[in-house]
Amino acid sequence: QSALTQPASVSGSPGQSITISCTGTSSDVGGYNYVSWYQQHPGKVPKLMIYDVSNRPSGVSNRFSGSKSGNTASLTISGLQAEDEADYYCSSYTSTGPRVFGGGTKLTVL
Amino acid sequence: EVQLVESGGGLVKPGGSLRLSCAASGFTFSSYNMNWVRQAPGKGLEWVSSISSSTIYIYYADSVKGRFTISRDNAKNSLYLQVNSLRAEDTAVYYCVRAGSGSYYFDYWGQGTLVTVSS
Repeated sequence: QSALTQPASVSGSPGQSITISCTGTSSDVGGYNYVSWYQQHPGKVPKLMIYDVSNRPSGVSNRFSGSKSGNTASLTISGLQAEDEADYYCSSYTSTGPRVFGGGTKLTVL
Repeated sequence: EVQLVESGGGLVKPGGSLRLSCAASGFTFSSYNMNWVRQAPGKGLEWVSSISSSTIYIYYADSVKGRFTISRDNAKNSLYLQVNSLRAEDTAVYYCVRAGSGSYYFDYWGQGTLVTVSS
């Protein structure tokens, strides 16, 4: 049950777009359209931002979008805002039944 | 409104046990798969265990297999995690998390309960 690979940190200026990658294998990210993304502000509970690769839950800004190519999924945030500064985690279904998270990416808004 | 309220955390010595509980409300508990996810202080999220709505399917992370037991009581709208043979590395906030309907994402999270393993 290896964790999915995410960059430790990314940064961007207000108004810019950033992309966070999440790399797995054909047994998880590449094999199923069950990738999800979570936002966690310091001291807060994680919040679902994207599910099933590219779907946004009700109430989540359309500045957040998800995609997948091969074994790598991506979360893109456009029109970056100060409130987007947080930790972001990806997760995927795996062929062995359990779920797996990425190591997390700290987004800094400059 | 969906609510998940965990309880049962606390300070326990290495080798000790605890029973974590999660009281669910605001949705038809018996229709949803449920999970426990933990987060060690300053660390990332780690999936711990999942149980299907009817308890037919149960899964554990390798790191807790044989030591933790997930269960649920649909009549009481409650999810449980029996944690035994605790180690220092089990120190974490344990979240009760609902799985999205018909899929494998985590759509609602409780506030978490802190388990601290220390002598």
